[in-house]
Amino acid sequence: DQQVKQNSPSLSVQEGRISILNCDYTNSMFDYFLWYKKYPAEGPTFLISISSIKDKNEDGRFTVFLNKSAKHLSLHIVPSQPGDSAVYFCAASGSFRARGGNQFYFGTGTSLTVIP
Amino acid sequence: ETGVTQTPRHLVMGMTNKKSLKCEQHLGHNAMYWYKQSAKKPLELMFVYSLEERVENNSVPSRFSPECPNSSHLFLHLHTLQPEDSALYLCASSQEEGRNQPQHFGDGTRLSIL
Repeated sequence: DQQVKQNSPSLSVQEGRISILNCDYTNSMFDYFLWYKKYPAEGPTFLISISSIKDKNEDGRFTVFLNKSAKHLSLHIVPSQPGDSAVYFCAASGSFRARGGNQFYFGTGTSLTVIP
Repeated sequence: ETGVTQTPRHLVMGMTNKKSLKCEQHLGHNAMYWYKQSAKKPLELMFVYSLEERVENNSVPSRFSPECPNSSHLFLHLHTLQPEDSALYLCASSQEEGRNQPQHFGDGTRLSIL
């Protein structure tokens, strides 16, 4: 059963506009969330994270919002640039795990295309 | 350049072959991971090593055998694989084996089983 879901496989946005990527999770014990960006033929690259004690974290053009009551996470990119075209994965982890490493549960990704 | 290097980038092998995937990290991290990514599926954690000790094995079939000789190197030995094992295999590392730490990924090995 998938605990982290990205229900939109793809998204297209005009350059300069806002891109909003969404992620839902089912496990209320998750308390740390990340977004990764992946270009073709490359591995995922860490983008931004948020702890459950916050509801917003901002880094330049990227902002992550966390709505714990809705179990929903979103990534806002503004303004969007053609170089932002990539697949974006959200991931979550939680303190319910015993010793077992830094296990993240990943979504299936959303492919973002920013149109010049 | 992510600091995590995987070789080979592509591998085609028959079901009776034995091969190994290699991962090397130059970040001074203490934890390393193997993930599998199949088409249309999320990344699946396979193995976790912390300070060269295996701390997680997510019910992975024994035809996959990891080895971590030191904190900078990680191998995945493959033997008698099945066609459904064709996937992208990603290696990652993090500073420690703790939570709240991003993992740094290599570019992966694309494995095809004939």
